Amino acid sequence: ETGVTQSPTHLIKTRGQQVTLRCSSQSGHNTVSWYQQALGQGPQFIFQYYREEENGRGNFPPRFSGLQFPNYSSELNVNALELDDSALYLCASSLDPTGANTEAFFGQGTRLTVV
Amino acid sequence: AQKITQTQPGMFVQEKEAVTLDCTYDTSDQSYGLFWYKQPSSGEMIFLIYQGSYDEQNATEGRYSLNFQKARKSTNLVISASQLGDSAMYFCAMREGKRSGANSKLTFGKGITLSVRP
Repeated sequence: ETGVTQSPTHLIKTRGQQVTLRCSSQSGHNTVSWYQQALGQGPQFIFQYYREEENGRGNFPPRFSGLQFPNYSSELNVNALELDDSALYLCASSLDPTGANTEAFFGQGTRLTVV
Repeated sequence: AQKITQTQPGMFVQEKEAVTLDCTYDTSDQSYGLFWYKQPSSGEMIFLIYQGSYDEQNATEGRYSLNFQKARKSTNLVISASQLGDSAMYFCAMREGKRSGANSKLTFGKGITLSVRP
């Protein structure tokens, strides 16, 4: 068990709604990254937060936004949900944002279904 | 061009035998890290093993080892003495660079399904 926890584990939302996913990072980790994993694909980087600031973003529209709190936990918010947003959303925490050799520890994910 | 390529179809291996999962990568960075993760049906990505671009020795971690060929840009995962619990998706991932201000995003391949037969 990694110590990274995500909530909720499953969620069903209607197209057009908004959703907030939560992640508690591993103790001592100040960097949180969010990934979207569509069915049958590898995870795609959404964005990263380091010490409460966004530190890099993947190819996702602005309706994907995030927050990091002083305790380094994080939220992912998605507005105006679309059917294609249905995916497993993974949160990963790591010790620092720049080290190439720092492994990321993942939570169990939130499975979002948009209907 | 894809940064991480995993092209093997679903792999099957007999319990207690060894299996090799292939991964090639593409980067212009000199400093990068290569990772393998296991994803069981529960969804959690489990870190298995890491290889740094400057590491001269192939990484090993218990039953997992890497066959790292830098010139060919490949990092194949070898699982020895397969167990039924090894049945899962396996992802190869890369983290590029160690530049100031860079983030530590991982770029993943599409994954390989491994099934271990009793």
